[in-house]
Amino acid sequence: SQTIHQWPATLVQPVGSPLSLECTVEGTSNPNLYWYRQAAGRGLQLLFYSVGIGQISSEVPQNLSASRPQDRQFILSSKKLLLSDSGFYLCAWSGTRGIKETQYFGPGTRLLVL
Amino acid sequence: KNEVEQSPQNLTAQEGEFITINCSYSVGISALHWLQQHPGGGIVSLFMLSSGKKKHGRLIATINIQEKHSSLHITASHPRDSAVYICAVKETSGSRLTFGEGTQLTVNP
Repeated sequence: SQTIHQWPATLVQPVGSPLSLECTVEGTSNPNLYWYRQAAGRGLQLLFYSVGIGQISSEVPQNLSASRPQDRQFILSSKKLLLSDSGFYLCAWSGTRGIKETQYFGPGTRLLVL
Repeated sequence: KNEVEQSPQNLTAQEGEFITINCSYSVGISALHWLQQHPGGGIVSLFMLSSGKKKHGRLIATINIQEKHSSLHITASHPRDSAVYICAVKETSGSRLTFGEGTQLTVNP
């Protein structure tokens, strides 16, 4: 069966510090991978998605970047965090058989920038 | 105006009540998802619909493509159903999901 992991679960970082959030998927190959952010009291916002190694699409201009160094690894990064980067970050994966694929979400990382 | 709108934003019910959460969207879609987010933040996909109706246990989801509307029903609600319920649509163009703001459901014993 497929599982998706995110690390860390919770993170408190000072403004201006770097960020690296990791997402890994097990039990499937060549998944589509997604990074979402959920700000407090708001809906989910798609940040990046990837259809393959090294292929990243950015949905919204951000202080963030994403990379996919391996097939089942998706990393969200920032060189300098802003206060507005605080939120709940969710990674998700889906199959690639068609556009109707269900997305499966990881447990999330709660980020607080102080 | 958001492309996906949910109502109500907040809903409080007594255990055993029948609950309905609504989702309306303004774009052409290939599929609609209902997601459940628990207080810890984890999200679970409940249903994926492209037409008609689906049922799983006490949960029922319906969609009317012509009216661009979907409903999530919970029969015999229970406190463990307390969560945020999120509607998301996959537009016919592109692969991304567009999310509603969510409905916070609280079921009191």
